[in-house]
Amino acid sequence: DVKVTQSSRYLVKRTGEKVFLECVQDMDHENMFWYRQDPGLGLRLIYFSYDVKMKEKGDIPEGYSVSREKKERFSLILESASTNQTSMYLCASSLGGAQETQYFGPGTRLLVL
Amino acid sequence: EDQVTQSPEALRLQEGESSSLNCSYTVSGLRGLFWYRQDPGKGPEFLFTLYSAGEEKEKERLKATLTKKESFLHITAPKPEDSATYLCAVQAEYNTDKLIFGTGTRLQVFP
Repeated sequence: DVKVTQSSRYLVKRTGEKVFLECVQDMDHENMFWYRQDPGLGLRLIYFSYDVKMKEKGDIPEGYSVSREKKERFSLILESASTNQTSMYLCASSLGGAQETQYFGPGTRLLVL
Repeated sequence: EDQVTQSPEALRLQEGESSSLNCSYTVSGLRGLFWYRQDPGKGPEFLFTLYSAGEEKEKERLKATLTKKESFLHITAPKPEDSATYLCAVQAEYNTDKLIFGTGTRLQVFP
């Protein structure tokens, strides 16, 4: 079974803090993704990566950055957290090539005060 | 613009009362359509992938079907444990890196 894990289930941070969200997958997947999920807006893609040290902007990259130093690990960074970044953050991975099914982690619920 | 619309937004069923969830999509060339189940406070769990019109897939009480404009998730004789939000997503031929998600149907099944 594919397993995607996220470093925290719940986080509370203050405005202006630097926030790191980490995601690890154990199935040697090529592609990894970060989404945020908000009521009424569905899942929106922030960034994705199709290889180590590679990254691509998604639909809403502003205010975020990412890092992929190892194949199994993909980090989302909020350089200076703001209240409008309060959300559920979901990491996903996919095998790559013709196999594009994305498998999701449990999510991190982030509250920025 | 590529778009996915799910209906209804919410559905309440009595245990055993079969029904269908709809996912209509507009995309320039469909590469694949995905169904996920999401329990409150958790990440989406993969259910099915459909690739071409006429295709059907089944898993326990769930059956997904696909036409050129929409997909249905049929739930036969649902149980309370089927209560969840069901998400639909499409992948376009021109951009296979991304999935475009609908906002989901929240299903509640009462005993």
